[in-house]
Amino acid sequence: EIVLTQSPGTLSLSPGERAALSCRASQSVPNNQLAWFQQKPGQAPRLLIYGASHRVAGIPDRFSGSGSGTDFTLAISRLEPEDFAVYYCQRYGGSPFTFGPGTKVDIK
Amino acid sequence: QVQLVESGGGVVQPGRSLRLSCTASGVTFTRFGMHWVRQAAGKGLEWVAVIWPDGSEKYYGDSVKGRFTISRDNSKNTVYLQMNSLRAEDTAVYYCACQWDGNPRAAVDKWGQGTMVTVSS
Repeated sequence: EIVLTQSPGTLSLSPGERAALSCRASQSVPNNQLAWFQQKPGQAPRLLIYGASHRVAGIPDRFSGSGSGTDFTLAISRLEPEDFAVYYCQRYGGSPFTFGPGTKVDIK
Repeated sequence: QVQLVESGGGVVQPGRSLRLSCTASGVTFTRFGMHWVRQAAGKGLEWVAVIWPDGSEKYYGDSVKGRFTISRDNSKNTVYLQMNSLRAEDTAVYYCACQWDGNPRAAVDKWGQGTMVTVSS
């Protein structure tokens, strides 16, 4: 079973700064089937990235995903006020569809 | 436009059972694999279960295996989560979710609003 670890647990940044969130897998993620979700309080998660680097239609291009194998990164080039939220990575493609523990991006 | 609506949540005593429902609209439901994902208050997301479009395959997270059962009634566009032997740690918001074209293996991008389950005496 693939276990996902996310770091840091909390990232405190100011609007306009760049964010880099890490997701590490305990073993190689087959076919880089790694997704990133954003979740705001009281809302369902929103899919941002699939296949490690493919941005979902309608997601701003300040969001980008990279990585392969066991190391993945979600970058937000310039934080907008609406980007302060919790971000989760998830391995999909087969059971179990494990989520990472999440990284909270909050306002410094 | 996919719309998912969960129902059936509530307060239940430890050891008892509860069945959640998720009804889909705007889709050809028989083509859609469906997931359940839960989230305890202030905690992260936990994947619970998935069912294939024809119900032929079902998979579960370790924490619910043997206690929860996912099923579906394609004539009612509804997926169910039968939860038995409930524990306090099952207390969470339960979401159903699917991928836009129904692939059960793909990353989900359609979510319901969630239904709250509280296990307490």
